[in-house]
Amino acid sequence: DAGVIQSPRHEVTEMGQEVTLRCKPISGHDYLFWYRQTMMRGLELLIYFNNNVPIDDSGMPEDRFSAKMPNASFSTLKIQPSEPRDSAVYFCASSDPTTGHTQYFGPGTRLTVL
Amino acid sequence: AQSVTQPDIHITVSEGASLELRCNYSYGATPYLFWYVQSPGQGLQLLLKYFSGDTLVQGIKGFEAEFKRSQSSFNLRKPSVHWSDAAEYFCAVVLSGGGADGLTFGKGTHLIIQP
Repeated sequence: DAGVIQSPRHEVTEMGQEVTLRCKPISGHDYLFWYRQTMMRGLELLIYFNNNVPIDDSGMPEDRFSAKMPNASFSTLKIQPSEPRDSAVYFCASSDPTTGHTQYFGPGTRLTVL
Repeated sequence: AQSVTQPDIHITVSEGASLELRCNYSYGATPYLFWYVQSPGQGLQLLLKYFSGDTLVQGIKGFEAEFKRSQSSFNLRKPSVHWSDAAEYFCAVVLSGGGADGLTFGKGTHLIIQP
């Protein structure tokens, strides 16, 4: 299996611009998670989906952030408008019940907002 | 709320020496426990996990971890480290049983290997 795929790997944008991060989970996994990693806050859960349905979005920092999962093989995390404090590494992970919900992570997207 | 504590921000170990990274969790019940490793600029790779049963679990790259319920700990060990083990190590927990949930991570321990 190719593992969790994220794109782009690096994104540099200017404040106020819209940013879209993409994730393809491992085939057959029915849970998908978005995390953010910063020096100040470490790794924190933003949102997760089960069977394409958002289950817990309590970690989404504010209305500027939105996430969708239109089908089992694709999810997006959108920031609009972006701000410098959104600069972080964003990870996507997927899991399935047959492995005790062990989460497998993608390589991450490093976002820099100038 | 559940929390994970990794008390050591940095640890320096000589190559060939043994290693122990500490992890304590605060939770009402025994959660599922994980150790992940992150090399610079890379994603998180699963080293090992504990769900139930034998409290000593073996992982990849020669790592092992021991779950101690009485101490709410899940410390990671390796008998002899290699320079390639230099990385950031994260302990994580999730509620056991039922459906999936997001992982709660510790702040990480940065491992430095001295030649």
